[in-house]
Amino acid sequence: DVKVTQSSRYLVKRTGEKVFLECVQDMDHENMFWYRQDPGLGLRLIYFSYDVKMKEKGDIPEGYSVSREKKERFSLILESASTNQTSMYLCASSRSFQGTDTQYFGPGTRLTVL
Amino acid sequence: KQEVTQIPAALSVPEGENLVLNCSFTDSAIYNLQWFRQDPGKGLTSLLLIQSSQREQTSGRLNASLDKSSGRSTLYIAASQPGDSATYLCAVHRGSYIPTFGRGTSLIVHP
Repeated sequence: DVKVTQSSRYLVKRTGEKVFLECVQDMDHENMFWYRQDPGLGLRLIYFSYDVKMKEKGDIPEGYSVSREKKERFSLILESASTNQTSMYLCASSRSFQGTDTQYFGPGTRLTVL
Repeated sequence: KQEVTQIPAALSVPEGENLVLNCSFTDSAIYNLQWFRQDPGKGLTSLLLIQSSQREQTSGRLNASLDKSSGRSTLYIAASQPGDSATYLCAVHRGSYIPTFGRGTSLIVHP
């Protein structure tokens, strides 16, 4: 079974802190994604990566950056956390570009910024 | 721009009922459509993936159909159980890297 793990289930940070969210997948998938999920807004894509060291902006990249130094690991970075970044963050991975393969999701990280 | 709508937004049914969740999309040029389940506070779990060339997929008590020409998919749940209570999301893929998600249908099955 594909496994996507995220470094924390719950995280509480202060405004202005630098925050790292990590995601690891164990199935050698090329594609990895970071979403945030908010009530009433659904899933919104922040960034995705289709290969090591490659990244593309999603719908809401402002205030975030990402890093993919190894194929299995995709990190989301909040350079200076703000209260409006309080959300559920979901990581996902998939095998192909054409969308013929399933996206596999991690369990999510509930981030609260005070 | 692809838009995905799920109706109803919320549904509450008694145990044992057969039910239908709906998903509609505006651009019929899709590669596939996927149904997910999300339990409260958790990630998404894939239920069924329908390729654009397929009309339906089945897994246990779940059956998903796809009508590309009308831009619609339905998820049919037979003999619903309290354990089916969750949010169900559909996502369509147009061949880029990124799927477009609906906002989900929140289902409660009460005993």
